[in-house]
Amino acid sequence: DTEVTQTPKHLVMGMTNKKSLKCEQHMGHRAMYWYKQKAKKPPELMFVYSYEKLSINESVPSRFSPECPNSSLLNLHLHALQPEDSALYLCASSQETGGNTEAFFGQGTRLTVV
Amino acid sequence: GEDVEQSLFLSVREGDSSVINCTYTDSSSTYLYWYKQEPGAGLQLLTYIFSNMDMKQDQRLTVLLNKKDKHLSLRIADTQTGDSAIYFCAEISGGSYQLTFGKGTKLSVIP
Repeated sequence: DTEVTQTPKHLVMGMTNKKSLKCEQHMGHRAMYWYKQKAKKPPELMFVYSYEKLSINESVPSRFSPECPNSSLLNLHLHALQPEDSALYLCASSQETGGNTEAFFGQGTRLTVV
Repeated sequence: GEDVEQSLFLSVREGDSSVINCTYTDSSSTYLYWYKQEPGAGLQLLTYIFSNMDMKQDQRLTVLLNKKDKHLSLRIADTQTGDSAIYFCAEISGGSYQLTFGKGTKLSVIP
């Protein structure tokens, strides 16, 4: 199983809503990542979790709140988002952080903020 | 900072070979990757090469690395319409957490 599963696939939310994106992997990977991808742009790193601890926050606004409840799950809690936050949100995992293993990506959640 | 450059578009005829090029600036890059992204989908890891290799072949895919020139290429033999997608080159340095992506090359395959 080399899958990273993200739910939901599509999400439309209002600016006052609270929602969560979910990501799951069962490859025993100890590093998990959230990326944001705007149309026709490469993915941009948001957060890195290593061994269930947040190790990198790329200056992401606090309306995005990550959570890693266990080594297989990664959530991204969303609150008071803006229309410009509409994007494809990609989760990835790798065996470790660092340059020695490949990262596997999920199919993404396409988020529209109205 | 690190930079990864790719040409934005490539158009080939079905059955021909495609060559997608990438240049990078970080001389401490340890792994270099090619990802494929179909419309509306996530990123699929196609192949990767370690920086001490100069070539890797995997079925229709051939990766060439010129470390001196910091140039990476992906050759797709016998290109099919299903190969139409955006191809991202990415690199990671030893000890880094972050993949640095190029802007992606949109490959269009003409039947």
